[in-house]
Amino acid sequence: KNEVEQSPQNLTAQEGEFITINCSYSVGISALHWLQQHPGGGIVSLFMLSSGKKKHGRLIATINIQEKHSSLHITASHPRDSAVYICAVRPFLIMYSGGGADGLTFGKGTHLIIQP
Amino acid sequence: NAGVTQTPKFRVLKTGQSMTLLCAQDMNHEYMYWYRQDPGMGLRLIHYSVGEGTTAKGEVPDGYNVSRLKKQNFLLGLESAAPSQTSVYFCASRFRGRPDQPQHFGDGTRLSIL
Repeated sequence: KNEVEQSPQNLTAQEGEFITINCSYSVGISALHWLQQHPGGGIVSLFMLSSGKKKHGRLIATINIQEKHSSLHITASHPRDSAVYICAVRPFLIMYSGGGADGLTFGKGTHLIIQP
Repeated sequence: NAGVTQTPKFRVLKTGQSMTLLCAQDMNHEYMYWYRQDPGMGLRLIHYSVGEGTTAKGEVPDGYNVSRLKKQNFLLGLESAAPSQTSVYFCASRFRGRPDQPQHFGDGTRLSIL
């Protein structure tokens, strides 16, 4: 069974701090997604990674395929970054998926609070 | 562009009642999905559709039915609501193309079954 584990589950930090959220998975994957869920509930896709590193503004996502691990970093964090960050993976083998055409398996999310 | 729109946003039902959740997307996406999100759990796929007139079961399909009569709409039905179906429901869609196209999500429907 494909397990997607995120850490920490909850994180509170001060404005300006460098934030790291981790995601580990147990089976071979073709892609990993990072999503952001705002306090109002809406979910947006931040990154899709299959190797290496991607950067968008103050957000950086890295993945190590051999170690089955990805990190999401936020530089110069701001209160508007407060949200739940969700990792999702697409296994190579559909038998390890959560079903569906994408076969995405989602982590439980990391609840981030940035205090001013 | 509205993106993915879910209606209603909130609903309270009594056990045994039926209702339909509507998802509409204006991006001409082929694939559409219904997920549920429960406290302490990741998003779980209920049903999905790869095109108009086609639907398939996901990870947790029991107690739900779906229909995709038009490409832009994906309906999720609860025939006889149960308290275990209290959850936040999300619809998502994406282009068929490469399998790792991002999914676009609606804002969710918060459903409580008493």
